[in-house]
Amino acid sequence: DQQVKQNSPSLSVQEGRISILNCDYTNSMFDYFLWYKKYPAEGPTFLISISSIKDKNEDGRFTVFLNKSAKHLSLHIVPSQPGDSAVYFCAASSSGTYKYIFGTGTRLKVLA
Amino acid sequence: KAGVTQTPRYLIKTRGQQVTLSCSPISGHRSVSWYQQTPGQGLQFLFEYFSETQRNKGNFPGRFSGRQFSNSRSEMNVSTLELGDSALYLCASSLAASGVETQYFGPGTRLLVL
Repeated sequence: DQQVKQNSPSLSVQEGRISILNCDYTNSMFDYFLWYKKYPAEGPTFLISISSIKDKNEDGRFTVFLNKSAKHLSLHIVPSQPGDSAVYFCAASSSGTYKYIFGTGTRLKVLA
Repeated sequence: KAGVTQTPRYLIKTRGQQVTLSCSPISGHRSVSWYQQTPGQGLQFLFEYFSETQRNKGNFPGRFSGRQFSNSRSEMNVSTLELGDSALYLCASSLAASGVETQYFGPGTRLLVL
């Protein structure tokens, strides 16, 4: 039962263009969402979060959008840079459960 | 502030052995979570500790166990190792008073079971 899904295993984008990474979830009780970036042989690095009381959160080049009715969130990276090439994970949690459910990740490749 | 540290970084064991992994959270963080990552899989939740109490546990067999000490440092133990236990084991810490706070990860321990 995969409660958090990242249906695109990989994505290639030209440098300078927008990268859009998508994440779908099934549990309507999720109320906090995170995005992480992961390089090989390293732990995930926190990028940006969003609470279910918001539908958008921005931090520099990174923006996360949350569509609660569609149970969908997306991460936009603008402009994309070669250093953004990594695996991106979305994660979701609901208050009081003390656990995050992670998607299987999307490998982003930014082409110079 | 120093980040989350995990020791050892790499470990090779044989089937049937047991292993203990250690995690030191960010100073002031009282919650520690453990995850297993295998090739092609996302991060699978193992368990979460707060103030020395396990608050949640994932769907792993009883061979996987953990504990947390009064200084918030945590250990996880895997007994009777199987080949399928080969994975990257990640520890994450957070302030986690509410349980929905950002988790910060350590570099992980790469375990290889032969």
